[in-house]
Amino acid sequence: ETGVTQSPTHLIKTRGQQVTLRCSSQSGHNTVSWYQQALGQGPQFIFQYYREEENGRGNFPPRFSGLQFPNYSSELNVNALELDDSALYLCASSGGFSKRNTEAFFGQGTRLTVV
Amino acid sequence: AQSVTQPDIHITVSEGASLELRCNYSYGATPYLFWYVQSPGQGLQLLLKYFSGDTLVQGIKGFEAEFKRSQSSFNLRKPSVHWSDAAEYFCAVGAAGANNLFFGTGTRLTVIP
Repeated sequence: ETGVTQSPTHLIKTRGQQVTLRCSSQSGHNTVSWYQQALGQGPQFIFQYYREEENGRGNFPPRFSGLQFPNYSSELNVNALELDDSALYLCASSGGFSKRNTEAFFGQGTRLTVV
Repeated sequence: AQSVTQPDIHITVSEGASLELRCNYSYGATPYLFWYVQSPGQGLQLLLKYFSGDTLVQGIKGFEAEFKRSQSSFNLRKPSVHWSDAAEYFCAVGAAGANNLFFGTGTRLTVIP
């Protein structure tokens, strides 16, 4: 059973640029959620994908977008980067909506620095 | 509105001492409650979870937590702390599927020899 993997681990971008972060979900999981964790804060929910459709979104602007692929891997795209987007971005996968599949497994995260 | 409060930003304990990390939540539906641990520069690891049933739940690494509905609390405990427990601890609340978890701001645990 493979875990959740994210790439890249670290990234430095310039304000105004666009970035794509990637996540491979755990084997057998069809739901992927993305979180933003600013320094010294808890993770904040960005959005979730279930079977390739967005299925819930937190309080983030439209320049945060995503995709989920048929193999359930996912991408997070951020356009027009701002300095405040600097954070650890965490991907979590889970088995769906049943109670027994409620545990979310997190990847190691991608540390994005916007300069 | 959903929220999680972890009132202690930083706690320091001696190795071998007992530990209790506090968590209070506000959630409109039946809460599913979680404790995660995060080592520096790492992702989150699940320590334990509560869905229903016995209000005292056991987790990994010797941790346990007690759900108290009347106090809207889900405090994490460990009877004897080890130096390797030094990390950031997050309490979270969500619904079935854990697809949208609300996290507290975390409690940083320092363990002194």
